[in-house]
Amino acid sequence: EAAVTQSPRSKVAVTGGKVTLSCHQTNNHDYMYWYRQDTGHGLRLIHYSYVADSTEKGDIPDGYKASRPSQENFSLILELASLSQTAVYFCASSAYRVEQYFGPGTRLTVL
Amino acid sequence: GNSVTQMQGQVTLSEEEFLFINCTYSTTGYPTLFWYVQYPGEGPQLLLKVTTANNKGSSRGFEATYDKGTTSFHLQKASVQESDSAVYYCVLGDRYAQGLTFGLGTRVSVFP
Repeated sequence: EAAVTQSPRSKVAVTGGKVTLSCHQTNNHDYMYWYRQDTGHGLRLIHYSYVADSTEKGDIPDGYKASRPSQENFSLILELASLSQTAVYFCASSAYRVEQYFGPGTRLTVL
Repeated sequence: GNSVTQMQGQVTLSEEEFLFINCTYSTTGYPTLFWYVQYPGEGPQLLLKVTTANNKGSSRGFEATYDKGTTSFHLQKASVQESDSAVYYCVLGDRYAQGLTFGLGTRVSVFP
């Protein structure tokens, strides 16, 4: 059974609209992460969290917010979606800061 | 900060050929090095891990060797199969850093 799940798996959004991507893990891990994947850039860290009700900025946080309401759930929020945010987004979890386990990804297209 | 360089963007092989992917890294911390593999439509999955305490790792027929002197971390497999076709990422982890640092990936295509 998949330990990190993401929803939706695919989404089309309009420019300026609000988008929420959700992640759920059953690994009992404290750390959760959001990355985006773009051709030519690999995966880059957007936000992460090491405890419920607290989030931290990663390397590319501009234009994104994150929410960690519980140990199992971590959301990525785009308040005003832009064309440049078209990408594949991955959620991951880890027991400590190193070894991470990834979800299947969400393909977001902003039109 | 941390950085990872994979110079090979794409590798094309026939089945049973030898695979070698080169990776170099830069860090001021205490690294753990990983190779992740990503199949189409899926998230990256851990292939193997090497720490500075043990300079080699292996999994599923793949071997990785870490050289602190040259800050290199290579992945190899003696005989590839078509099912090994995927994107392979060299990844740097540091317990003092926020997350993982990914290389750009090497797309490996194996033909029968």
